[in-house]
Amino acid sequence: EVQLLESGGTLAQPGGSLRLSCAASGFTLSVNGMSWVRQAPGKGLEWVSDSVIGGGGGTYYADSVKGRFIMSRDNSKNTVFLQMKSLRTEDTAVYYCTGHGGLSEWGPGTLVTVSS
Amino acid sequence: QAVLTQEPSLTVSPGGTVTLTCGSSAGAVTSGHYPYWIQQKPGQAPRTLIYDTNNKHSWTPARFSGSLLGGKFALTLSGAQPEDEAEYYCLLSYGGVRVFGGGTKVTVL
Repeated sequence: EVQLLESGGTLAQPGGSLRLSCAASGFTLSVNGMSWVRQAPGKGLEWVSDSVIGGGGGTYYADSVKGRFIMSRDNSKNTVFLQMKSLRTEDTAVYYCTGHGGLSEWGPGTLVTVSS
Repeated sequence: QAVLTQEPSLTVSPGGTVTLTCGSSAGAVTSGHYPYWIQQKPGQAPRTLIYDTNNKHSWTPARFSGSLLGGKFALTLSGAQPEDEAEYYCLLSYGGVRVFGGGTKVTVL
């Protein structure tokens, strides 16, 4: 069965750091572009980051997280990560990973709460 | 960064037809923006219905279709069903950076 599962969401302090993981099963992450998307409580979807495979590859970030978040992959673990630092209260959201052909797969999400 | 504009809410009768649109502050939407329509029901994770303008996944009902219409990206729902009540988001790509629209809440009533 093809699926994604995020983990690592928790309560964090403003200015703190957190690393989210997204484990894939049923398909190989190394040949698929992957994305992180977040949703603040009661709000719409916000694109966070992309890790691109084709066209020379590359990693892209929303302006709201550029310089603070880093997306990476561990192909041996079939997992992508989102390293978050200098967290702000406005980073509070459910974080989803998504990918595979045509963004066909979405994880259930993991909740990050940034509060003192 | 482009701002995408969607209708905040639309109501459709059961069996009726409704068209959602997604316009961009950066100009006409084209297939080169690799447009997506994503559905989200309350309490659930999002689910992609349409990718690359008009391609459907195996789970996408035939009553949904994506198109480019007058410089905008459109989602047409023909023959609405109660289970189609949801929030719908468009997603476009601008050279690797993606942007979501604000979402359209569709009510089937």
